[in-house]
Amino acid sequence: DSGVTQTPKHLITATGQRVTLRCSPRSGDLSVYWYQQSLDQGLQFLIQYYNGEERAKGNILERFSAQQFPDLHSELNLSSLELGDSALYFCASSVSAGGHQTQYFGPGTRLLVL
Amino acid sequence: QQQVKQSPQSLIVQKGGIPIINCAYENTAFDYFPWYQQFPGKGPALLIAIRPDVSEKKEGRFTISFNKSAKQFSLHIMDSQPGDSATYFCAASQAGSARQLTFGSGTQLTVLP
Repeated sequence: DSGVTQTPKHLITATGQRVTLRCSPRSGDLSVYWYQQSLDQGLQFLIQYYNGEERAKGNILERFSAQQFPDLHSELNLSSLELGDSALYFCASSVSAGGHQTQYFGPGTRLLVL
Repeated sequence: QQQVKQSPQSLIVQKGGIPIINCAYENTAFDYFPWYQQFPGKGPALLIAIRPDVSEKKEGRFTISFNKSAKQFSLHIMDSQPGDSATYFCAASQAGSARQLTFGSGTQLTVLP
């Protein structure tokens, strides 16, 4: 158990809908990363927050957004969902944003868009 | 290019064999190279990591070999066991305030009993 929690574990929805994925980092970790894992694209970095502020953006679509709250949990919002958004979404956390800090991954949320 | 290229895509070995997974990168700004292990239904978990000022690092049965001039690094699993059957990802990150990971495409390892 990495100490990172993600909810829900599974999510089934329809095209055009909006969903919210939630992540609670390990106790003491200030940095949260979101990654998408799909069969064709592999594991790709989406976005990172550090202590409530956006720190870096990767291949995140404009339809997707995220935020980190004062209690350090983070939410990834996916809107106008398309079939191709079906994937595993992982949250990872680390103590800080820089340096060689281990990123601890949560169990993921499996999203299926029908 | 931020890519990390990983091979092979899949690997089958007998128990006790030494599977080797290779990765290559292009971005010379990368300075941290972790390997992650992922079991079905689980998130990736850090296995071992290396920095480019070191040519080899061992942790238990896992060894990373690093060739800075060739921009390549590899994972060796000594005395592999059926419990090592998993997907292995190499990754890289570069210095800066973000440290996001760029992952290879993954290698599905099967260790036969």
